[in-house]
Amino acid sequence: GAVVSQHPSWVICKSGTSVKIECRSLDFQATTMFWYRQFPKQSLMLMATSNEGSKATYEQGVEKDKFLINHASLTLSTLTVTSAHPEDSSFYICSARGQGSGKNIQYFGAGTRLSVL
Amino acid sequence: AQSVTQPDIHITVSEGASLELRCNYSYGATPYLFWYVQSPGQGLQLLLKYFSGDTLVQGIKGFEAEFKRSQSSFNLRKPSVHWSDAAEYFCAVGAQWRGSTLGRLYFGRGTQLTVWP
Repeated sequence: GAVVSQHPSWVICKSGTSVKIECRSLDFQATTMFWYRQFPKQSLMLMATSNEGSKATYEQGVEKDKFLINHASLTLSTLTVTSAHPEDSSFYICSARGQGSGKNIQYFGAGTRLSVL
Repeated sequence: AQSVTQPDIHITVSEGASLELRCNYSYGATPYLFWYVQSPGQGLQLLLKYFSGDTLVQGIKGFEAEFKRSQSSFNLRKPSVHWSDAAEYFCAVGAQWRGSTLGRLYFGRGTQLTVWP
């Protein structure tokens, strides 16, 4: 149980286009999901916390107009990178906080590698 | 402020040897502590966690970790390493949110483990 699916796993896009990444909790409802960004050989940087039915909370320095987060249902959160540029190329990982006995655990997706040309 | 320090960027061990990965944290209250493992291009898999109680916790794949409050440490150990253990290991501390529910995670920079045959 507690599986988080992230799609796509890899995306290549042209500079100036927008890319949407989906994060789904497959077998549990997740009122809270988290979006991280990871640079090569570095740790995970929290970008934003996504709560179902409300606006996401962005970390300092993260452009909310650049990284649009929508958490429209209890099993789906999306991250849209708008007008992507090469500097947005990175590995993006989502996680979902579990329920019940799993409420104190974050379950992670497999990540999405974004390459902006 | 909360922070996690993993002092070893890269560790190399021989297969069958014992392993200890260090983690120190800074957190004002009783922390939620985690170890995650990440294989190349993949998301994070939870190895083990500590919330309270017995300070020696057992995880998956033969890993264990010991919480030492006096040293603010949560070191990960394995008595005999297998080649398949080669990966990146992240220590994380979780902030409490709305009482006992887990909020955001703060990650260390990670330790890359190489296993020699």
